[in-house]
Amino acid sequence: QVQLQESGPGLVKSSKTLSLTCSVSGGSISNYYWNWIRQSPGKGLEWIGYIYPSGTTNYNPSLNNRVTISLDTSTNQVSLKLTSVTATDTAVYYCARQDTYCAGSGCFDMFDYWGQGTLVTVSS
Amino acid sequence: SSELTQDPAVSVALGQTVRITCQGDSLRSYFEGWYQQRPGQAPALVISGINHRPSGIPDRFSGSSSGNTASLTITGAQAEDEAEYYCSSRDSSGNLFWVFGGGTKLTVL
Repeated sequence: QVQLQESGPGLVKSSKTLSLTCSVSGGSISNYYWNWIRQSPGKGLEWIGYIYPSGTTNYNPSLNNRVTISLDTSTNQVSLKLTSVTATDTAVYYCARQDTYCAGSGCFDMFDYWGQGTLVTVSS
Repeated sequence: SSELTQDPAVSVALGQTVRITCQGDSLRSYFEGWYQQRPGQAPALVISGINHRPSGIPDRFSGSSSGNTASLTITGAQAEDEAEYYCSSRDSSGNLFWVFGGGTKLTVL
């Protein structure tokens, strides 16, 4: 059974860099896209970005180039860095595995495994 | 860019049928699925694509899509279905950014 576990500081000062790690167990990180998604308190889901083991990345443009996602296949870990944080970056941060399901009607991507999430609070 | 619109809240009597909808221009080209989020938990996939139920999801959950609207139907809602539901798609600009609907809070009465 694949399990994802986010870790990192729960409190980050404004203007600093938020750094989180997602540890993947029960399966390899090869051949999947790995995503970070966040949820501000009482709000909906916001996609942050993804990485594929080849190094391909894609980031939410609304985050104004503050995001870097990396991965380490030797440790089965995916990392997130978000620079110049403000109070609006306070959220629960989730990592999620992206897989693809194909049927007669086409192929669909999905987040089939999620971490339990970690709350990061940005303080002034 | 893309926006997905969901009703903020919907209620259903126990055992009855409820439909949760998601609207957006990008749905004419992309639709990736529905997620259920119970309080204090991570989201969980309930429908992949238009109407594929992952293993372990009860068959009372089904999906459909027409034009710019996707729907999640729960036939015979149970108390444990009370949760927030999010639809997901891709940005229609071609950059394949993921987008989520604002979420629908389902209350089972």
